Amino acid sequence: AQRVTQPEKLLSVFKGAPVELKCNYSYSGSPELFWYVQYSRQRLQLLLRHISRESIKGFTADLNKGETSFHLKKPFAQEEDSAMYYCASRVNTGFQKLVFGTGTRLLVSP
Amino acid sequence: NAGVTQTPKFRILKIGQSMTLQCTQDMNHNYMYWYRQDPGMGLKLIYYSVGAGITDKGEVPNGYNVSRSTTEDFPLRLELAAPSQTSVYFCASSYLADYEQYFGPGTRLTVT
Repeated sequence: AQRVTQPEKLLSVFKGAPVELKCNYSYSGSPELFWYVQYSRQRLQLLLRHISRESIKGFTADLNKGETSFHLKKPFAQEEDSAMYYCASRVNTGFQKLVFGTGTRLLVSP
Repeated sequence: NAGVTQTPKFRILKIGQSMTLQCTQDMNHNYMYWYRQDPGMGLKLIYYSVGAGITDKGEVPNGYNVSRSTTEDFPLRLELAAPSQTSVYFCASSYLADYEQYFGPGTRLTVT
């Protein structure tokens, strides 16, 4: 069964510091990985997906199949990055449901 | 475009009561989903629909029912509410299964 693990409930950094939000997945096939973000008082929205290989708001995430990880990184955190971040995976067999991790709250202090 | 809208925003139910959570999308999406999020947990899929008249169970369907009579609406029915159904409920929609899912703002439900 698919499982997504986000080991940190809270990550607190200062503005300008590098950020790495960890995500590990368990599935032996080739899942599709996503990062979703929920800013305060806003709805959950897609931040990026691994097949796009793009950088959104300065964030990048690389799929490491050897380590089954999809960590989210940003070299210089900004206060407006403070939010809940959810990693999710989707397997392309049967119904392609999303499986979410428990989320990490990122707090960027001035 | 309003996107995905949900009503109500908050609700308190007594044990054994019933209610319907409303979800509407105006993006002409085929797929719609209901998730629940318990405190400190990730979102879990309750039910989904691939089009009007077609629904199927997700991971945690017990205690819930859905219907999809139109493309736009996907209500979630709770019969005989139980404290275990205290949660935040999110509705989402997508054009197709592998397209981006768009989420509603959520409904916070407390059953006491």
